[in-house]
Amino acid sequence: GAGVSQSPSNKVTEKGKDVELRCDPISGHTALYWYRQSLGQGLEFLIYFQGNSAPDKSGLPSDRFSAERTGGSVSTLTIQRTQQEDSAVYLCASSLARGNTEAFFGQGTRLTVV
Amino acid sequence: KQEVTQIPAALSVPEGENLVLNCSFTDSAIYNLQWFRQDPGKGLTSLLLIQSSQREQTSGRLNASLDKSSGRSTLYIAASQPGDSATYLCAVPNTGNQFYFGTGTSLTVIP
Repeated sequence: GAGVSQSPSNKVTEKGKDVELRCDPISGHTALYWYRQSLGQGLEFLIYFQGNSAPDKSGLPSDRFSAERTGGSVSTLTIQRTQQEDSAVYLCASSLARGNTEAFFGQGTRLTVV
Repeated sequence: KQEVTQIPAALSVPEGENLVLNCSFTDSAIYNLQWFRQDPGKGLTSLLLIQSSQREQTSGRLNASLDKSSGRSTLYIAASQPGDSATYLCAVPNTGNQFYFGTGTSLTVIP
């Protein structure tokens, strides 16, 4: 596609429910990143995928968070038993390869837990 | 761990002024440095990418410089316009698997 696509753009969920956020990276990009941006805060790294390698999950804040990337393309970030502190904008980015290539971000999913 | 700092945190200028945004980083072992803009409630838009071997990169009214040895980058915006109002972020990837982001500079260009 023309850019990184994320869905939904907005999600309101009740505390305790599970949510799934989707990221469709730019075609051919092997590297995919998830970041979280809380209100008034900087960007917090969550997880990184590179091709078919094991993902770097070092940024996931708790075991309620998980992500997968199917077929080296679309990625889904799942948050189980959502809490109010999970409310944030979740941003996905992709790049041709790790490190020395330009990263492109999606428009984000704004998650509100009520 | 890489730490990225941006100064100033906020900047307000009249339309037409030239301005400079600053980014500093603590670990010079970077692949590149990327500048983004973020409009309220939106994602990040890539502005410029400077490879670690480069000193400068230009796109339209934007010019970014990189001094890797001193851990600094500047983003120069010429003839600022109200449409330039946004938050500007710099980011560096290093030997790890993530980009380290600065805290951002919130720019307001007054018509």
